[in-house]
Amino acid sequence: EVQLVESGGGLVEPGGSLRLSCAASGFIFRTFSMQWFRQAAGRGLEWVAYISSTSSNIYYADSVRGRFTISRDNAGSTLYLRLDSLRDEDTAVYYCARDRTFNYDSTGSADFWGQGTLVTVSS
Amino acid sequence: DIQMTQSPSTLSASVGDRVTITCRASQAISKSLAWYQQKPGKAPKLLIFKASTLEDGVPSRFSGSGSGTTFSLTISSLQPDDFATYYCQQYYNDFYTFGQGTYLEIK
Repeated sequence: EVQLVESGGGLVEPGGSLRLSCAASGFIFRTFSMQWFRQAAGRGLEWVAYISSTSSNIYYADSVRGRFTISRDNAGSTLYLRLDSLRDEDTAVYYCARDRTFNYDSTGSADFWGQGTLVTVSS
Repeated sequence: DIQMTQSPSTLSASVGDRVTITCRASQAISKSLAWYQQKPGKAPKLLIFKASTLEDGVPSRFSGSGSGTTFSLTISSLQPDDFATYYCQQYYNDFYTFGQGTYLEIK
């Protein structure tokens, strides 16, 4: 059974930092691209970042580029998101998700999601 | 950036109805579009990818169509479990964006 479990969320002051983790199990982690998404309370979904299976391709939303860093540890089957220079508007539930592959290619859609971890940026 | 515009924002329907949600891209995205269903307090669920490919385990009453700039998600006969919020997502280039969502409510 595919499982993705996020951790690392919490309350942080504006300008502060956090590192989110996503522990993956039930599939061969090193062969899948992975993504982070977020959703502010009562709002829609927002894509945050993408990382390919070997970390050779990394993409970010404009709203987080230069402040967030996505990375992965294939040996430990863990995805990370480093959040720096946090702003009030970064407050959201952050989800990690597995990229849906099709014919062994990444599609950009996400077929398995974690339960989310809440990041609250407030003084 | 590619903008995705979903319509309607809210849709009221009854069990058994056929409903269609539309998503329009600000530029052509080929068939690089997915549809998700989300229920309150839960993570989204992938329904369709590549505009029209049904995800494993998703009931066949869900279908997707379109290419280029105009896409649609159709539910052929609404079931009680289908009342939720639906999102489209484009993944044409290295910058992915969602529509604003369609809240499907019971009439």
